[in-house]
Amino acid sequence: QKEVEQNSGPLSVPEGAIASLNCTYSDRGSQSFFWYRQYSGKSPELIMFIYSNGDKEDGRFTAQLNKASQYVSLLIRDSQPSDSATYLCAVNMANDYKLSFGAGTTVTVRA
Amino acid sequence: DGGITQSPKYLFRKEGQNVTLSCEQNLNHDAMYWYRQDPGQGLRLIYYSQIVNDFQKGDIAEGYSVSREKKESFPLTVTSAQKNPTAFYLCASRQSLNQPQHFGDGTRLSIL
Repeated sequence: QKEVEQNSGPLSVPEGAIASLNCTYSDRGSQSFFWYRQYSGKSPELIMFIYSNGDKEDGRFTAQLNKASQYVSLLIRDSQPSDSATYLCAVNMANDYKLSFGAGTTVTVRA
Repeated sequence: DGGITQSPKYLFRKEGQNVTLSCEQNLNHDAMYWYRQDPGQGLRLIYYSQIVNDFQKGDIAEGYSVSREKKESFPLTVTSAQKNPTAFYLCASRQSLNQPQHFGDGTRLSIL
């Protein structure tokens, strides 16, 4: 079992719709969770992080964490063509300086 | 501006040659990381360092070497033992455990 798994893409959504990305992780002791956006040919950029169960909102982005079920999700509301990118989920396992990354989900927003 | 600087942006390696990728950060971060990304693939950890003069192997360390003589710098050497070095190399740093990692702009390495 992979440490971090993301729903396989690509995910195609119409402009203005909600894009929903899911991520599950294997280590129940994981403490911090991150979402990165990576445009083609560019390096990843941090868009959200969450440490506690529940929802965290930042503009059009909402991260949701459920530690009991070991999943973290990212919602992108009012999707724009500029949101077309690969989204990487990263999980910090307990007391580990390494981050475990998922393989990424590619999102395409159709105009 | 604070940030992570990787150089060069593009690098070409000849057969049997060692090449060194530079990574410098002025964020005063303790931990630094090197990842490799192949086309259409996720990130794979090569090496990481939590403090100066200490580093650990990641998942794909064979054919690579690093040093951490200064807090700001974490250079990666791709040795001739790495037979398939063509990839996008990303350096990252983070302030402390559980904080986000921040990435440099990356170096693209190709074989001549």
